[in-house]
Amino acid sequence: DAKTTQPPSMDCAEGRAANLPCNHSTISGNEYVYWYRQIHSQGPQYIIHGLKNNETNEMASLIITEDRKSSTLILPHATLRDTAVYYCIVRVGSNTGKLIFGQGTTLQVKP
Amino acid sequence: KAGVTQTPRYLIKTRGQQVTLSCSPISGHRSVSWYQQTPGQGLQFLFEYFSETQRNKGNFPGRFSGRQFSNSRSEMNVSTLELGDSALYLCASSTQNTDTQYFGPGTRLTVL
Repeated sequence: DAKTTQPPSMDCAEGRAANLPCNHSTISGNEYVYWYRQIHSQGPQYIIHGLKNNETNEMASLIITEDRKSSTLILPHATLRDTAVYYCIVRVGSNTGKLIFGQGTTLQVKP
Repeated sequence: KAGVTQTPRYLIKTRGQQVTLSCSPISGHRSVSWYQQTPGQGLQFLFEYFSETQRNKGNFPGRFSGRQFSNSRSEMNVSTLELGDSALYLCASSTQNTDTQYFGPGTRLTVL
């Protein structure tokens, strides 16, 4: 079973920030939080990942709470091309690449 | 640097046949993982290979198998196809098995 909980869907106005929440209350100390997105029927695209500290790259920012039980992915200026299913994943174990995907959040960016 | 490539992109088979799908990882990546995606079950982990060794296996029947070659390319095989095997099969590669995985475009398998 997935170790994360996400809202099934969200809307965002084009040009505004999209804030996608994720709960991972059972996360272990050495487990990373990863975010991927999947545009219809394409392979999932890596966005960002983090362990404890907040992270930022050219695509997004990741805010992880101090207790690490939840995180938020922020797309600072959403565009129509950001419409996709966003998956928050906790990578299981310390010696495996196995990713357990939940149902994700369908983000609809509207003009 | 070229991304993960998967061949073929689309495939139609009939029940009882077998199928082999191929995945070429990003140059320099030694770990390859396979996933199955269906509308009902979502994205599910099949297996993971690192340096030609299977390191992890998901909860799939023995009809699903895979292997990895010395150049890190990987194949997965499904024997005795069933209608329920219709899915998007995705592979992902990474430098080490604990590093960020990058996915290919997938192979869409339809079983009739």
